[in-house]
Amino acid sequence: AQSVTQLDSQVPVFEEAPVELRCNYSSSVSVYLFWYVQYPNQGLQLLLKYLSGSTLVKGINGFEAEFNKSQTSFHLRKPSVHISDTAEYFCAVTGNQFYFGTGTSLTVIP
Amino acid sequence: NAGVTQTPKFQVLKTGQSMTLQCAQDMNHEYMSWYRQDPGMGLRLIHYSVGAGITDQGEVPNGYNVSRSTTEDFPLRLLSAAPSQTSVYFCASSYMQANTGELFFGEGSRLTVL
Repeated sequence: AQSVTQLDSQVPVFEEAPVELRCNYSSSVSVYLFWYVQYPNQGLQLLLKYLSGSTLVKGINGFEAEFNKSQTSFHLRKPSVHISDTAEYFCAVTGNQFYFGTGTSLTVIP
Repeated sequence: NAGVTQTPKFQVLKTGQSMTLQCAQDMNHEYMSWYRQDPGMGLRLIHYSVGAGITDQGEVPNGYNVSRSTTEDFPLRLLSAAPSQTSVYFCASSYMQANTGELFFGEGSRLTVL
């Protein structure tokens, strides 16, 4: 069975600082990995996804993630955050369904 | 192109009342699903459908019914609401059943059961 663990429930970071949101997964089969973002009072929208190929995946709004099979991780990074990045971020893995992590609340401090 | 549309956005029910959350998509997606979002628990799958006439249970199906009579619509029914069903509900759809594609989400329906 597939599962996802997001290690940090809340991450505060100052504006223009770098950020890393951590995600570890478990699966007995090949996986597809996703990061979604949820802005306040909105639904989720796709940031980026890894299906195959290059392990460094670039997404929207300057975010990127690296798939590390040996460490079963798919951490999300951004070199310089903006106030508008304040949101909830969800890591997800697919098998026969999408399995979501519990989310990481990113707060960017001016 | 409206995407995934959910109604109502907000609803307050009394324990024991019934209601239906509506979900419609105009992208001709075969796959549709319902999630509930609760603090600290992420999104949990309630029911899903891989096409008209086909539905199946997810992680937390108890207390909920679904049907899929058309490709576009996937309503979620609460037959007898309980306070434990207070949550934010999201409908999502995808073109590819194999889940390598993107899930498109509605804006959510916030339900409070008193």
